[in-house]
Amino acid sequence: EAQVTQNPRYLITVTGKKLTVTCSQNMNHEYMSWYRQDPGLGLRQIYYSMNVEVTDKGDVPEGYKVSRKEKRNFPLILESPSPNQTSLYFCASSLGRGQETQYFGPGTRLLVL
Amino acid sequence: KQEVTQIPAALSVPEGENLVLNCSFTDSAIYNLQWFRQDPGKGLTSLLLIQSSQREQTSGRLNASLDKSSGRSTLYIAASQPGDSATYLCAVLYNTDKLIFGTGTRLQVFP
Repeated sequence: EAQVTQNPRYLITVTGKKLTVTCSQNMNHEYMSWYRQDPGLGLRQIYYSMNVEVTDKGDVPEGYKVSRKEKRNFPLILESPSPNQTSLYFCASSLGRGQETQYFGPGTRLLVL
Repeated sequence: KQEVTQIPAALSVPEGENLVLNCSFTDSAIYNLQWFRQDPGKGLTSLLLIQSSQREQTSGRLNASLDKSSGRSTLYIAASQPGDSATYLCAVLYNTDKLIFGTGTRLQVFP
């Protein structure tokens, strides 16, 4: 089944404790991206990647890192999480630059205390 | 600044009604516009994708139109059903490679 998976789905952590949210797709997609969704603000793009070893900042990249060492994986790293990073995070992928349908993962709900 | 706005923010209608959800965007330099559905606690499901060169797309009871010159898109839902209850999001992919989402319209269809 074609899908985007994220892990973990739910995470509670404390300020400053490094964490990684994994994202994997099995559709051989080149384009992958991360979003956060907050009430009243909608979804905002954090980082995106056009292909392996190519990543670019979205609208809200501060406090986040990503890497794209393999085509299928695009982990989101929070080196030192803070409470303002409490949010619902989505990973997405599409075949090309974005001219095709984007497929979203189920989301990761993060709470930073 | 590139922005996407959706009106109304919430809508509650009886089953069977035809609906129009609106999306407006600044800056006509877009690659495409996509409509998504989001159910509570779930991810986003793509409904329709309209390329910048297209005027509309249809899928079943859904029809989406795009008017780049006026910066508008509408999602038309025919003969609404309770199962259509969800939040509907539009997202614009700009030529800058930025994908900008609207804040959504929360739809409730009651029997």
